[in-house]
Amino acid sequence: GAVVSQHPSRVICKSGTSVKIECRSLDFQATTMFWYRQFPKQSLMLMATSNEGSKATYEQGVEKDKFLINHASLTLSTLTVTSAHPEDSSFYICSASRGPSGTEAFFGQGTRLTVV
Amino acid sequence: GIQVEQSPPDLILQEGANSTLRCNFSDSVNNLQWFHQNPWGQLINLFYIPSGTKQNGRLSATTVATERYSLLYISSSQTTDSGVYFCAVAGANRKLTFGKGITLSVRP
Repeated sequence: GAVVSQHPSRVICKSGTSVKIECRSLDFQATTMFWYRQFPKQSLMLMATSNEGSKATYEQGVEKDKFLINHASLTLSTLTVTSAHPEDSSFYICSASRGPSGTEAFFGQGTRLTVV
Repeated sequence: GIQVEQSPPDLILQEGANSTLRCNFSDSVNNLQWFHQNPWGQLINLFYIPSGTKQNGRLSATTVATERYSLLYISSSQTTDSGVYFCAVAGANRKLTFGKGITLSVRP
C-alpha cells in the first residue's frame, strides 16, 4: 500500500510555544491531504483539508489561526499548532488519498502532542 | 453530513471464535474503508470497499451500498486481532467520516 509518513510521532512542549507536524506522501503525489484529531477513547474528527498551492479549508469549529496548515509541495503538508495550551493535547493524524479512483485514504503514524 | 454507526461498541471473544462487525451509513458513498487502530494509534488499512465483497486471509468484508451497510468478518480470531476497528465513509469530497469504533478484545 501507499506510504504516508508523519513526524514527529511524539512531542512534549511547554504551554505558549508552537509545534510543527509534518506529513509526507513517500511514494505518490498528493494534491490534497487531510488532518484529523483524536481524543482518548474517541473517534477521529476531521480538522481541515490541506490543498497544495492554496489555502486550507477548515471544518466548522476549528480555529484556523490556531492550527496553521501549509501544503507547499505535492508530497508535504505541515500542521503548526500555535501558542499551544494543555487543551490542545491530543493525537493528530494526517491522511492522503490515492488509488485508481483517488479515493482510498492512507494514514500517517500520528503525532501524540502533550502540552505541559 | 453522512452519519456512521458501528455496532456493537464492544466485543469480547475467545481465541478461535468468529465475529461480525457492522457499519451503517446514512447516505450514498464513494468510499468506505475499514481500519484497525493498533495500540500505538496507527491506522492499518484493512479494506477499501465502497461496494462488493473482498477477502484477505482471515478477514473479509461486504458492503451493500444500496442498503447502506458494511460488514467486517473476522474468522478464527487471534489475540493480535484485539484493538479498535473503525469504519469510515466519504462522499465525493473525499472527507472521511469515522464511526465511533468497535473495541475488540480477544482472550487466550
